[in-house]
Amino acid sequence: GAVVSQHPSRVICKSGTSVKIECRSLDFQATTMFWYRQFPKQSLMLMATSNEGSKATYEQGVEKDKFLINHASLTLSTLTVTSAHPEDSSFYICSARGGRLADTQYFGPGTRLTVL
Amino acid sequence: GDSVTQMEGPVTLSEEACLTINCTYTATGYPSLFWYVQYPGEGLQLLLKATKADDKGSNKGFEATYRKETTSFHLEKGSVQVSDSAVYFCALTPSSGGYNKLIFGAGTRLAVHP
Repeated sequence: GAVVSQHPSRVICKSGTSVKIECRSLDFQATTMFWYRQFPKQSLMLMATSNEGSKATYEQGVEKDKFLINHASLTLSTLTVTSAHPEDSSFYICSARGGRLADTQYFGPGTRLTVL
Repeated sequence: GDSVTQMEGPVTLSEEACLTINCTYTATGYPSLFWYVQYPGEGLQLLLKATKADDKGSNKGFEATYRKETTSFHLEKGSVQVSDSAVYFCALTPSSGGYNKLIFGAGTRLAVHP
């Protein structure tokens, strides 16, 4: 149990376009989902926390208008990078927790975004 | 604020050597403690966890003991394999505010050679 998937695994886009990344909990209901960003050879930086049915809570320094997060159901959260620029290129990882698995975050495999 | 400090890597070992990756934390109360592993090109996988003092988490030959008196959660394995090569992250969730934030250490890269 506790499988979290992300789609796509890799995406390349042109500067100025928007990219949507999906995060799904496959075998449990995720009341809370988290989005992280990881730069090469560095740790994970929490970007935002989203609870199902409510607005996401963003960490200090993260632009909410640039990184749109939607958590419309107990199994799906999306991160949309709007008007992407090369400096947005990174590894984006989601995690989820909920139900009987509320005390642990389970991570997706990550999405590698490259903005040209 | 709460924080996690890990030993800097990379750690390079020969197969079957003993491994210890140090992790200490700063937090109020009794946080939950975790070790996550990240294999090349992949997301994080939960390796083991401990939720209260003196608990020992174990998985795949790895183990770590929650030491409140030394605020530590060192990761150990008696005999490493090449397949253990990865980045290991120590993390905590604060005891206050539910489980809404994982605070990570910087990660320690382990390279195991045949």
